[in-house]
Amino acid sequence: DIQMTQSPSSLSASVGDRVSITCRASQGIRNDLGWYQQKPGKAPKRLIYGASSLQSGVPSRFSGSGSGTEFTLTISSLQPEDFAAYYCLQHNSFPLTFGGGTKVEIK
Amino acid sequence: QLQLRESGPGLVKPSETLSLTCTVSGGSISNSDYYWGWIRQPPGKGLEWMGGVYHNGITYYNPSLKSRVTISVDTSKNQFSLKLNSVTAADTAIYYCARHDRQPLVDCWGQGTLVTVSS
Repeated sequence: DIQMTQSPSSLSASVGDRVSITCRASQGIRNDLGWYQQKPGKAPKRLIYGASSLQSGVPSRFSGSGSGTEFTLTISSLQPEDFAAYYCLQHNSFPLTFGGGTKVEIK
Repeated sequence: QLQLRESGPGLVKPSETLSLTCTVSGGSISNSDYYWGWIRQPPGKGLEWMGGVYHNGITYYNPSLKSRVTISVDTSKNQFSLKLNSVTAADTAIYYCARHDRQPLVDCWGQGTLVTVSS
């Protein structure tokens, strides 16, 4: 199985801050990665696919980058509605595997 | 607009079988562009991909679940189902059904249903 190591597991930030979350794959996965946002009590929502393509309807302050084994989700200017948990998901091979998650909290 | 909705018992006894169904509306489960799967999340924890099925019945399961899991599709009802046998308290989780695109990356989720394993 491909292991996805996500960091940090949590972070505190203020509105307007630039925030970055990293996922590292245990082996190369090309750009076969998505990022998801999950708010309390809700199902996750896809933000990014193909490592860097923005899902329709998602604000442009979200961006993804990386290829191979290292990937980053960046929020350029954190907004109040962005406080949530974020997960990466690799789909290069079965079983699909998620990163452990990052909880973004208000400082 | 595509909607997925999980249904099934919210309480299962230890050693019994957990059974859930996902009903798909606003789209056909027979569409070969998509893959249909289950993901779970223990309370307060992260996400685990359990497995999935193509419209033709081909399945992939997470080896972590060993031989306890079965996922099947019923195209006549536009539904797919999850069975997890020999459950323990560790199987207590929110269970999500999800559509995967051709990649196959999850692109649409059900609202989730909490299943508690307890006597």
